[in-house]
Amino acid sequence: EVQLVESGGGLVKPGGSLRLSCAASGFTFSSYSMNWVRQAPGKGLEWVSYISSSSSSIYYSDSVKGRFTISRDNAKNSLYLQMNSLRVEDTAVYYCARKGLTNWGQGTLVTVSS
Amino acid sequence: DIQMTQSPSSLSASVGDRVTITCRASQGITNDLGWYQQKPGKAPKRLIYAASNLQSGVPSRFSGSGSGTEFTLTISSLQPEDFATYYCLQHNTYPLTFGPGTKVDFK
Repeated sequence: EVQLVESGGGLVKPGGSLRLSCAASGFTFSSYSMNWVRQAPGKGLEWVSYISSSSSSIYYSDSVKGRFTISRDNAKNSLYLQMNSLRVEDTAVYYCARKGLTNWGQGTLVTVSS
Repeated sequence: DIQMTQSPSSLSASVGDRVTITCRASQGITNDLGWYQQKPGKAPKRLIYAASNLQSGVPSRFSGSGSGTEFTLTISSLQPEDFATYYCLQHNTYPLTFGPGTKVDFK
């Protein structure tokens, strides 16, 4: 069974940093591209970032470009999102999702507030 | 960026009703469209992929159609567990974009 488990969320002040992790199991992680998607409280879904299976292709939404960095460690079956220069508007539940957004984790809440 | 719109933004329906939700893309995306169901406090769940293919394990009362710029999700006979918010997603071009969602609640 495919399992994706996010961690690393929490409360951070504006301008601060946070690193999210996504632990994958139940499939050959190194063969699949991965994505991060977020959802602000009471709002819709917003795609954030994509990384190919070998990390050779990476994309970001304009709203996070230059501040967030996606990465992966295939040996550890893990996906990461390094979030710097956080803003109040980055407050959201962050989900990791497998290629094609077929399978999703349960999400981790990031709150940016002073 | 490709913009996705959905209509209606919300609807009220009863158990047994036929429900149709429409999603439109600002430019052609062939059939690179998925439909997702989300319940409060839960992660989205994919129902339909490639515009018209039913995800494994999803009840057959859900169906999708369309190609190019206009797509439809139909629930043939609404069940109590179907009250949720539905989103379309285009994955033809990055950035991936979701529709704003359609909330289906009890009449």
